Amino acid sequence: DADVTQTPRNRITKTGKRIMLECSQTKGHDRMYWYRQDPGLGLRLIYYSFDVKDINKGEISDGYSVSRQAQAKFSLSLESAIPNQTALYFCATSDLLGNEQFFGPGTRLTVL
Amino acid sequence: GQNIDQPTEMTATEGAIVQINCTYQTSGFNGLFWYQQHAGEAPTFLSYNVLDGLEEKGRFSSFLSRSKGYSYLLLKELQMKDSASYLCAVSYSNDYKLSFGAGTTVTVRA
Repeated sequence: DADVTQTPRNRITKTGKRIMLECSQTKGHDRMYWYRQDPGLGLRLIYYSFDVKDINKGEISDGYSVSRQAQAKFSLSLESAIPNQTALYFCATSDLLGNEQFFGPGTRLTVL
Repeated sequence: GQNIDQPTEMTATEGAIVQINCTYQTSGFNGLFWYQQHAGEAPTFLSYNVLDGLEEKGRFSSFLSRSKGYSYLLLKELQMKDSASYLCAVSYSNDYKLSFGAGTTVTVRA
């Protein structure tokens, strides 16, 4: 079984719709991250959480929000999706030492 | 961003060696990671360097020079399955966030 899972794996939606991407992990890690990946731009950090009560903005948080429902779950929401949010989204986790991040399989989101 | 620079693309022949360079800002440096990412898949961890020198792990080696803000990933005895994007990522100031370079796409030809 995968240690970091994401749902859905693919999603096509329309401009203005609210979308939630979910991430679950069984690694027992406290730290969780959301990234988006665009061609030629690499991975960019959207939000991160170091424990259940901790939420921090990354470099591109505008237009996104997150919820850390439990140690194992970290959700990313697009309140009103726009076409330039079309991207590949990855969730990742790390332990307290932060020496390695483990990535989920990704969610491919298309906003029409 | 943290100006993490790496070449966009490299091409090499099966069985050959390829070296992917990465440069970064040295202020606040904590550690450097290399990840491999096949198209449409998740990045997977390859190596972590925190001290100067060479770390060898099978066909892959990673080098770090902290004073120069420079690292390279060396792929030896290239195989077709090594065709992928290789991501350089840097951790700054003990906050455990990673700043990623745009990635280097390596194409291995027969």
